[in-house]
Amino acid sequence: SQQGEEDPQALSIQEGENATMNCSYKTSINNLQWYRQNSGRGLVHLILIRSNEREKHSGRLRVTLDTSKKSSSLLITASRAADTASYFCATDVQGAQKLVFGQGTRLTINP
Amino acid sequence: DTAVSQTPKYLVTQMGNDKSIKCEQNLGHDTMYWYKQDSKKFLKIMFSYNNKELIINETVPNRFSPKSPDKAHLNLHINSLELGDSAVYFCASSQDRAEAFFGQGTRLTVV
Repeated sequence: SQQGEEDPQALSIQEGENATMNCSYKTSINNLQWYRQNSGRGLVHLILIRSNEREKHSGRLRVTLDTSKKSSSLLITASRAADTASYFCATDVQGAQKLVFGQGTRLTINP
Repeated sequence: DTAVSQTPKYLVTQMGNDKSIKCEQNLGHDTMYWYKQDSKKFLKIMFSYNNKELIINETVPNRFSPKSPDKAHLNLHINSLELGDSAVYFCASSQDRAEAFFGQGTRLTVV
């Protein structure tokens, strides 16, 4: 299976703390993307990192990519209650017109 | 203006019925997708279309038939619905391997 894996599956932290989520995948990729899904809603794109990039920032988000280990991490700094959601990584698979999603990490920020 | 819109949002139907879900995007994207999200939040790609042409069919039963009348629309028709078809179905679009934009989802319940 080309499906990626994320860990942890669930993460609960206090507001203001940093949250780190990891993603591993199996195939060669063009890029890796992170999405957020609030309960009962569609997915919202957060950030895209290309296969030749190692780190990218967007506001309180920091993404790293290690193509040799086929892994990525998403760091959310200074978490807020509104960050409570599920977070998914998705790989743009080389040679295929599709995004393959990980299982997701359910993040809960406690006030 | 909603970028990717799908209808209906909720669909409850009996086993054996035939139903359709419609999707439209106003972003001018060339590529559209259907994803299925099961009760464990696992997102699996079903179909990918590029400029109205089928690119990917991920071993989906032939009871599922996508139709793309033009590149802004990708509809999903399901014949002979089964209990296992109950899930949330997401339509999405993208351009040139950039981020995907998702619809709000259609929650299908087969009873």
